[in-house]
Amino acid sequence: NAGVMQNPRHLVRRRGQEARLRCSPMKGHSHVYWYRQLPEEGLKFMVYLQKENIIDESGMPKERFSAEFPKEGPSILRIQQVVRGDSAAYFCASSPAGDYEQYFGPGTRLTVT
Amino acid sequence: GNSVTQMEGPVTLSEEAFLTINCTYTATGYPSLFWYVQYPGEGLQLLLKATKADDKGSNKGFEATYRKETTSFHLEKGSVQVSDSAVYFCALLDSGGYNKLIFGAGTRLAVHP
Repeated sequence: NAGVMQNPRHLVRRRGQEARLRCSPMKGHSHVYWYRQLPEEGLKFMVYLQKENIIDESGMPKERFSAEFPKEGPSILRIQQVVRGDSAAYFCASSPAGDYEQYFGPGTRLTVT
Repeated sequence: GNSVTQMEGPVTLSEEAFLTINCTYTATGYPSLFWYVQYPGEGLQLLLKATKADDKGSNKGFEATYRKETTSFHLEKGSVQVSDSAVYFCALLDSGGYNKLIFGAGTRLAVHP
């Protein structure tokens, strides 16, 4: 059973460009969580999604950030008009319905130049 | 709100030394508690967990006991190895209804031969 997959693993964007981060949950998992890790800090919750629904986006910045988890395909975290402060590692985790244990992907390291 | 505080690193030890990494939490009720480990360039792996007071989680020689009296969940290992060098994160499951994890800032462990 493949683990949580994220791509790309590394992403470089210039200021003002868009960044799209993808997350494929483990097989059978219908819940996806996104976390952000700033340099030398712990992970901070961003958003929790189920298929076609955003359940909790209390950790998402109000502007430029959006997330989706369509019926088919991976979950996408989209950052528009990136700024240097968006440089971080973005981790996705998934869990099956009715289970709180989260399994993490390897992360996408975003660098904004 | 709920929060997790970990001892600051880095922690530097010689091989076979005893390890303690302190973790305390602030939360309403009795949340489930976790230790995650992050090896260089990788995502987080669940190391151990405890779901109620006085539970002891253990894995790969690591142990942590859920102490509600002191609101603590300290990580211990009797004899560390070079391969244990990593960043360790303490986390609690936020019981606000959406199962998001709240992480401490992480403690970097370096073990030398």
